[in-house]
Amino acid sequence: AQKVTQAQTEISVVEKEDVTLDCVYETRDTTYYLFWYKQPPSGELVFLIRRNSFDEQNEISGRYSWNFQKSTSSFNFTITASQVVDSAVYFCALSEGFSGGYNKLIFGAGTRLAVHP
Amino acid sequence: DADVTQTPRNRITKTGKRIMLECSQTKGHDRMYWYRQDPGLGLRLIYYSFDVKDINKGEISDGYSVSRQAQAKFSLSLESAIPNQTALYFCATSDNNRDRANYGYTFGSGTRLTVV
Repeated sequence: AQKVTQAQTEISVVEKEDVTLDCVYETRDTTYYLFWYKQPPSGELVFLIRRNSFDEQNEISGRYSWNFQKSTSSFNFTITASQVVDSAVYFCALSEGFSGGYNKLIFGAGTRLAVHP
Repeated sequence: DADVTQTPRNRITKTGKRIMLECSQTKGHDRMYWYRQDPGLGLRLIYYSFDVKDINKGEISDGYSVSRQAQAKFSLSLESAIPNQTALYFCATSDNNRDRANYGYTFGSGTRLTVV
């Protein structure tokens, strides 16, 4: 069965601090996709990144970076020099490979990040 | 217009009432999903459909039913609403070709449902 664990319920930092959001997943499939979404106070879900199970390269996009380690089943997300606008709930999610298309997406419980001035 | 449109955006209803949440999409995707979000629990899957004739229960389907009227429309019904169904509901679609778009899923803006 697939499962996503985000052990950090809430994180509070001061602006310009670096912060890492942890994500640990469980799956029996060898083909799967991992995602991160941001949910700002307005409530919509904003796609941040997709990573497939065959690509363990870390990725950097501006102040955001992701560290994917299959050996520890983790897909952690780091925000460098955090800003107040980064305050949101962040979700990690997993989709197992099935019939070529995207399968049902399973979410972690989310981490609420508060960045204070 | 949004790719995935949910109606209504907000709804307050009374316990015991039947209510339908509607979702329509212009993505041309075959796969559609309904999720509910509760604080501290993330998004949990209620039902999903891989095509018009394929409906599957998710992890929390009790108390809900769905209808896939067409490829573009997927409705969620609460036959007899109860207060613990108060939540934020999301509809989503996904492509059946994983290589076509790296974002994978398209979400609606959500329906905030309150059952009093």
